[in-house]
Amino acid sequence: ETGVTQSPTHLIKTRGQQVTLRCSSQSGHNTVSWYQQALGQGPQFIFQYYREEENGRGNFPPRFSGLQFPNYSSELNVNALELDDSALYLCASSLRTGARDYGYTFGSGTRLTVV
Amino acid sequence: RKEVEQDPGPFNVPEGATVAFNCTYSNSASQSFFWYRQDCRKEPKLLMSVYSSGNEDGRFTAQLNRASQYISLLIRDSKLSDSATYLCVVNVGSYKLIFGSGTRLLVRP
Repeated sequence: ETGVTQSPTHLIKTRGQQVTLRCSSQSGHNTVSWYQQALGQGPQFIFQYYREEENGRGNFPPRFSGLQFPNYSSELNVNALELDDSALYLCASSLRTGARDYGYTFGSGTRLTVV
Repeated sequence: RKEVEQDPGPFNVPEGATVAFNCTYSNSASQSFFWYRQDCRKEPKLLMSVYSSGNEDGRFTAQLNRASQYISLLIRDSKLSDSATYLCVVNVGSYKLIFGSGTRLLVRP
C-alpha cells in the first residue's frame, strides 16, 4: 500500500511569487484535503477535493486554490505569496463512503518559506 | 474562542510517570474525536479515536464527555519515545478535521 506523498519537501519563495505544491493520495483513497500548519500551531483546514471538485473550504482567501486529477492526486496553488504563508503544508487523503471519510492519512508535508 | 482548545504545555515528566492531557471543543455538533501524535517537523499520525464509552490502547486511555464537550488522554508508564506533541482533533460534518494547537510532552530519563 502506497502512502501519501508530497513534493517538494522544502521550498523557498519570494513575496509576491506563486507556488504549486503536489500530493499523491494513498492507494484506494478518493478524497484529498489540504492543511496549513504554522509554527507552534495545529494544522488549519484549507480545502478538500472529492470527485475533482472543491468540497469544502476553510477560512483562506481565494489566492489559495487547488485541483484534483482523475487519479485522485492533487495540487495546491498559492498566488501572490505573503510572508505569513510560510508554513508546513500538509496533504491528507481519505476514502469517502456515503457521507463519511475514513482512513485519514497525512503526507510528510511541504515546508514553504516566503522571504 | 478557538474551536478546539488545549493546554500547550510543555509537560515535563520522568520515565514511568502517568500524565493526562485535556481538551475542550466548542461545537456541540462535533461527530468524531481523535488524538493525533506529531513528532518534531513531521506529519501528524493518528494515535487513537475517542469514543463516548472510553477506550484503551495499551498504555493510552481516551475519554469523551459529550455533555461537557471535553476530551482526555491518559498515558501510563511514560516512555522516552512518548515525547511529542499531542493534537486533539474534532470532526464536524463530513469533510474537515479541526485541530487544537497541541500539547507538548517531554519525557526525561
